[in-house]
Amino acid sequence: SAVISQKPSRDICQRGTSLTIQCQVDSQVTMMFWYRQQPGQSLTLIATANQGSEATYESGFVIDKFPISRPNLTFSTLTVSNMSPEDSSIYLCSVEGGRGSDTQYFGPGTRLTVL
Amino acid sequence: GQQLNQSPQSMFIQEGEDVSMNCTSSSIFNTWLWYKQDPGEGPVLLIALYKAGELTSNGRLTAQFGITRKDSFLNISASIPSDVGIYFCAGQAAGNKLTFGGGTRVLVKP
Repeated sequence: SAVISQKPSRDICQRGTSLTIQCQVDSQVTMMFWYRQQPGQSLTLIATANQGSEATYESGFVIDKFPISRPNLTFSTLTVSNMSPEDSSIYLCSVEGGRGSDTQYFGPGTRLTVL
Repeated sequence: GQQLNQSPQSMFIQEGEDVSMNCTSSSIFNTWLWYKQDPGEGPVLLIALYKAGELTSNGRLTAQFGITRKDSFLNISASIPSDVGIYFCAGQAAGNKLTFGGGTRVLVKP
């Protein structure tokens, strides 16, 4: 399985500011995914990020709020823009398990608290 | 959208006990995955199931892909304290998107 790291691991931010979360993978992957996990809840897919194309967002998530970059096959960023306390969550990136694989492997997550 | 109902929401275990949890869906999935999440960490893949009726083991863990393709269960045999955590099922229909169940929180009996 891929080794995935995320930065920062946690942060406390002020309302109205933005935070960019980085996801680095130790191997090249076509598809990367960003999830949100609200306190005590399950995982919800924010968007799918393929290298060389615009991210595909799920219902309820928009690019202006969660811009995503995917500059190469091992790296992606998710920005949480104009934050409010409701954005306090764990943000997780994941990658596909391999060509043709239906599995996904997750990074350790970024715990965000917005005051 | 697709919904995954995972039960129980929480359970207490005593060391040595067998425990079971399951997920049901209103629609068909092609793949079922089971993850465990420890506090402060991301979910870790435990078992992947690809065929209806498939029964797969990983150590003390056993999971099955239901015949109808709308359900799956996970069993943990002879539980130990490090089994504590949150277990998630996830189903994949078309494409690469996963739908997650609500999670089962496994706790140790006081």
